[in-house]
Amino acid sequence: ETGVTQTPRHLVMGMTNKKSLKCEQHLGHNAMYWYKQSAKKPLELMFVYSLEERVENNSVPSRFSPECPNSSHLFLHLHTLQPEDSALYLCASSQDPGGQPQHFGDGTRLSIL
Amino acid sequence: DAKTTQPTSMDCAEGRAANLPCNHSTISGNEYVYWYRQIHSQGPQYIIHGLKNNETNEMASLIITEDRKSSTLILPHATLRDTAVYYCIVSTNTGGFKTIFGAGTRLFVKA
Repeated sequence: ETGVTQTPRHLVMGMTNKKSLKCEQHLGHNAMYWYKQSAKKPLELMFVYSLEERVENNSVPSRFSPECPNSSHLFLHLHTLQPEDSALYLCASSQDPGGQPQHFGDGTRLSIL
Repeated sequence: DAKTTQPTSMDCAEGRAANLPCNHSTISGNEYVYWYRQIHSQGPQYIIHGLKNNETNEMASLIITEDRKSSTLILPHATLRDTAVYYCIVSTNTGGFKTIFGAGTRLFVKA
């Protein structure tokens, strides 16, 4: 139990579907992150939120839309994804924005048909 | 690009010590060495970190060379459940949002 919960654990969707990934942290942290982990590739940082404000967007396509309604919840809204977007999407949190260590959830395994 | 270099894979016999090396020759004075591991189908898990001195916790020991250009993570009595990818990263404790995970070392613990 890491204190960071992601749902769903697995998601299969078509390219025209709209879905959302959810992340919740129970650690009282002030920063939350979305990472993408493709097969055979290192983790790629996608978005960073600090106190509910987006502070980093690593050139992520607009078909990925993050939302942080409060410091405990983070969403990743998905729309018109491509097959190459199939990956493990990981959420993390840290006490201080940009700080270490980060606490990760177990991810959502996303498959695009 | 990652600021650390690690071997791609290593094997270790169950019950023996696993020593995982990491090179970070360009580390800055205010950067810490952090270790994480990722077990299959799980997210990365923080293990330990250090700045200059050697560190030990319930999971592992971290040995940092005097010039801080390399370090070694030691799992004193490896078990099959320690089979995972181990990541060494360098970061200030405020991170700057640019935590870069490299490819890590895939450790296989064999019975």
